[in-house]
Amino acid sequence: LAKTTQPISMDSYEGQEVNITCSHNNIATNDYITWYQQFPSQGPRFIIQGYKTKVTNEVASLFIPADRKSSTLSLPRVSLSDTAVYYCLDTNAGKSTFGDGTTLTVKP
Amino acid sequence: DSGVTQTPKHLITATGQRVTLRCSPRSGDLSVYWYQQSLDQGLQFLIQYYNGEERAKGNILERFSAQQFPDLHSELNLSSLELGDSALYFCASSVGGVQETQYFGPGTRLLVL
Repeated sequence: LAKTTQPISMDSYEGQEVNITCSHNNIATNDYITWYQQFPSQGPRFIIQGYKTKVTNEVASLFIPADRKSSTLSLPRVSLSDTAVYYCLDTNAGKSTFGDGTTLTVKP
Repeated sequence: DSGVTQTPKHLITATGQRVTLRCSPRSGDLSVYWYQQSLDQGLQFLIQYYNGEERAKGNILERFSAQQFPDLHSELNLSSLELGDSALYFCASSVGGVQETQYFGPGTRLLVL
């Protein structure tokens, strides 16, 4: 079962840009890459999705290289409220496989 | 508020018992997914239904079963409960396929004593 790989934890300070990278070693041709954010005891929340190159929305950017074996979530100017677990997700054979998640801690 | 509702919010039961968790998807969503999240296992995909039919199966135990009804709500049945089944159970929904954005409910916290 395909599973993504991402750092277990990251620390940052308010106002900084944070980049979280995920490895998608078994991603299939038709799969998309999606990132979710999760706060304690809440369900994950969609952040951004892309197939290749760069996607940007009001909260984040997603960079995907041509080989699609990795992706980078970029959070501009983080605040304390961005402290959460971030998951990268790709689909394989129709199954939703979340990675282990990256716990981002934003410090004042 | 994602629009996905789950009941009950909390459930406390004993080993060996059987429980049913209920999920109502967002209006218009045809797909329902079930996930289990425990402290040592992370977010584990259990099963997906699309318009009443099972579409994908993950790490779901034989003691667990699910179904999606004609009105598109879904139920996850957990039987012969063990201590290790204590976890948060999330339901998510999407319009159609797995590549589409999944909207998660608030979860049901199950405690097996």
